[in-house]
Amino acid sequence: EAQVTQNPRYLITVTGKKLTVTCSQNMNHEYMSWYRQDPGLGLRQIYYSMNVEVTDKGDVPEGYKVSRKEKRNFPLILESPSPNQTSLYFCASSSLTGIENTIYFGEGSWLTVV
Amino acid sequence: GENVEQHPSTLSVQEGDSAVIKCTYSDSASNYFPWYKQELGKRPQLIIDIRSNVGEKKDQRIAVTLNKTAKHFSLHITETQPEDSAVYFCAARSPLDSSYKLIFGSGTRLLVRP
Repeated sequence: EAQVTQNPRYLITVTGKKLTVTCSQNMNHEYMSWYRQDPGLGLRQIYYSMNVEVTDKGDVPEGYKVSRKEKRNFPLILESPSPNQTSLYFCASSSLTGIENTIYFGEGSWLTVV
Repeated sequence: GENVEQHPSTLSVQEGDSAVIKCTYSDSASNYFPWYKQELGKRPQLIIDIRSNVGEKKDQRIAVTLNKTAKHFSLHITETQPEDSAVYFCAARSPLDSSYKLIFGSGTRLLVRP
């Protein structure tokens, strides 16, 4: 079954405590991306990756880091979380080849920073 | 860059009636227009998409129309059912955007009254 898996699904953390949200896909997709979703602001892209070792900033990258050491994994790192990073986060992946380039979303990670 | 506007923000219809959600986009080069349905607390799920070489696409009770000249596209849901109640997002993607990201509209909350 095609899947994008994120962990943790729910997390409450304190300001400044580093955390990592993992993302893994089993579809051999080249493209992976992180979005955050906030009320009234819709879905905004944080970072994206076109392939292994290729990452780039999206629209709202401040306060986040990513890495793409393997094709299937694309973790999102918050080095020093702040309350304004409280949000719902979605990882997404897509193929870049052929005509099938639908973006698939993970189940989401609810993050609260207090 | 691309900008997508979506209307209305909320829509309430009687079960069995039709619902129409409209989006406009700014980048005439955009060529891929998906629609996502998001139920409360869940991931966005693709329900239908259309590419710029097609004017209309239908899948059972759901249809999408695209007017490239006017740069707008619409989602049509016929014979609405209570389980259609959710937030719907339109999106657009331009081949000129190297980030390959989807630009999302702000969402429409659809309520189908039994």
